[in-house]
Amino acid sequence: GEDVEQSLFLSVREGDSSVINCTYTDSSSTYLYWYKQEPGAGLQLLTYIFSNMDMKQDQRLTVLLNKKDKHLSLRIADTQTGDSAIYFCADTSYNTDKLIFGTGTRLQVFP
Amino acid sequence: NAGVTQTPKFRVLKTGQSMTLLCAQDMNHEYMYWYRQDPGMGLRLIHYSVGEGTTAKGEVPDGYNVSRLKKQNFLLGLESAAPSQTSVYFCASSYSSGPETQYFGPGTRLLVL
Repeated sequence: GEDVEQSLFLSVREGDSSVINCTYTDSSSTYLYWYKQEPGAGLQLLTYIFSNMDMKQDQRLTVLLNKKDKHLSLRIADTQTGDSAIYFCADTSYNTDKLIFGTGTRLQVFP
Repeated sequence: NAGVTQTPKFRVLKTGQSMTLLCAQDMNHEYMYWYRQDPGMGLRLIHYSVGEGTTAKGEVPDGYNVSRLKKQNFLLGLESAAPSQTSVYFCASSYSSGPETQYFGPGTRLLVL
């Protein structure tokens, strides 16, 4: 079946850039998403990218998509303590309109 | 606009007990979803609905039932709770199945002893 994988943990210093990586297996993925989950809260959509794009920038967030390698990354510039959260990557495909989530990456930002 | 709300926020059940989780949305969304979130795993889809009166199975439907009698509400039922159903349950809703965001509720933490 479709699979989405992420590393479990990332720790960065405040002010540095964070890069969260994700790999997926579904070659027919249409949209790929990044969600943020703060403690005790539901998921919040941060950004998404269509599969025919290779980059999308939105303020401090940059999404890079390497469709050949099925690799997606989220770069957060000037990471702040408020960025500490779990970040989930997810995809949908032509075959299904359901979101398939990765395991989530816990980002910890220290002063 | 309350968005997506879930009731209750937390519940402890004994094995074999039943309960219903309520999800409500006030955004007139057609699509509604129930997910479970377990440690070290991403969210997994339990059941979903593409409109009032419709339901469909997701990735992990066994042990759960759902109903969508009203467009704004999506109920998730556990007829006979098992410890394996200890999890955090998230409801979400969306206008359609496209890239528009799914709006998530705050979650219900369920512990089955």
